[in-house]
Amino acid sequence: AQKITQTQPGMFVQEKEAVTLDCTYDTSDPSYGLFWYKQPSSGEMIFLIYQGSYDQQNATEGRYSLNFQKARKSANLVISASQLGDSAMYFCAMREGGIYNQGGKLIFGQGTELSVKP
Amino acid sequence: KAGVTQTPRYLIKTRGQQVTLSCSPISGHRSVSWYQQTPGQGLQFLFEYFSETQRNKGNFPGRFSGRQFSNSRSEMNVSTLELGDSALYLCASSLPLMGGIAKNIQYFGAGTRLSVL
Repeated sequence: AQKITQTQPGMFVQEKEAVTLDCTYDTSDPSYGLFWYKQPSSGEMIFLIYQGSYDQQNATEGRYSLNFQKARKSANLVISASQLGDSAMYFCAMREGGIYNQGGKLIFGQGTELSVKP
Repeated sequence: KAGVTQTPRYLIKTRGQQVTLSCSPISGHRSVSWYQQTPGQGLQFLFEYFSETQRNKGNFPGRFSGRQFSNSRSEMNVSTLELGDSALYLCASSLPLMGGIAKNIQYFGAGTRLSVL
């Protein structure tokens, strides 16, 4: 069964430093997508970055990059130059993309609460 | 472009009552998914609607139901509320997922926070 594991319930980082949030996943489907979302205290889930299982290069979106290690089944999020506004919950999620999956179901990890210190 | 709009933002109900939550997707998005978020269980998929049809369903009791209208707006209903139904309910919209392709970004609303007393 598909599963997402985030082993860091909480993390602290100094402003302007880089931080890595861990995510491992489990799936038997060769086609899948991995997503990272940010959830501030307001509750809204904000899409950050996507990585496909067949993508040859690691995804990057501005200060966000994804360290994708397919053999290890890990998809860690790297935030460079942390800002105070980065303080939030971060969720890793996966969707299996096999030909029999016509739906939009995402499986989420438990999340990592990131606190950025000034 | 307006984002996903969920109403109401906050709701207080008592056990045994029923509740209806509303979600207006991003213009042009035809797929709407619902998730329940609780401190204990985390984020769990409820169901997904596309073209007014439920396309995917999570592992929730029949008290949880939903529907989608021709304009892609969606509602979810919870009947006979229980204390454990207290949660943040999130709606997400996306373009229709093409078979075999995993990339399909879901954009979320701010959620409806339901408290059952």
